[in-house]
Amino acid sequence: AQTVTQSQPEMSVQEAETVTLSCTYDTSESDYYLFWYKQPPSRQMILVIRQEAYKQQNATENRFSVNFQKAAKSFSLKISDSQLGDAAMYFCAYGSYNTDKLIFGTGTRLQVFP
Amino acid sequence: DVKVTQSSRYLVKRTGEKVFLECVQDMDHENMFWYRQDPGLGLRLIYFSYDVKMKEKGDIPEGYSVSREKKERFSLILESASTNQTSMYLCASSSGQQETQYFGPGTRLLVL
Repeated sequence: AQTVTQSQPEMSVQEAETVTLSCTYDTSESDYYLFWYKQPPSRQMILVIRQEAYKQQNATENRFSVNFQKAAKSFSLKISDSQLGDAAMYFCAYGSYNTDKLIFGTGTRLQVFP
Repeated sequence: DVKVTQSSRYLVKRTGEKVFLECVQDMDHENMFWYRQDPGLGLRLIYFSYDVKMKEKGDIPEGYSVSREKKERFSLILESASTNQTSMYLCASSSGQQETQYFGPGTRLLVL
């Protein structure tokens, strides 16, 4: 069975700085996809970024980018030029091509200080 | 934009009550999901549905049932609420297998 581990329950960053959130996963599958979702306080969970495992190029979305290391089963999220609005709970999730289910990590709460 | 709505943001119920949580999506998505979110545990899948009247158990289905009579609506039912079902419940939908899931705002349920 697949598992997703987020080893940092909380992280903090100063405005305009860069922060990296860690995610590792375990799977025996060769094809899959990975997500980072953001859940702001009392607000809806939204997609930050998606990475297909077959793509070697790391996904980027404006200030958000991933470092996808397939052999190491690592999928970290880098937030550049952090803003106050980036403060949220961030969840890493694994998706299999064999099922519709996603497997989520336990989340990392990011605080952004002015 | 995909819109997923949930019937209540906050709900307080008593032990033993039957509880209905409703979720509606407006994008004609095939798949719908119910998760519960607890601190330190992340999101855990309760049930999901890939078509009308079709359902599959997730990782923690005990104490819950679901109903999908129409494509846009997916209901989560707590037959007899218990205090250990106090949690945040999130609904999501997606257009198909391997597609991105879009989430509703969540229902925070307190069972007394």
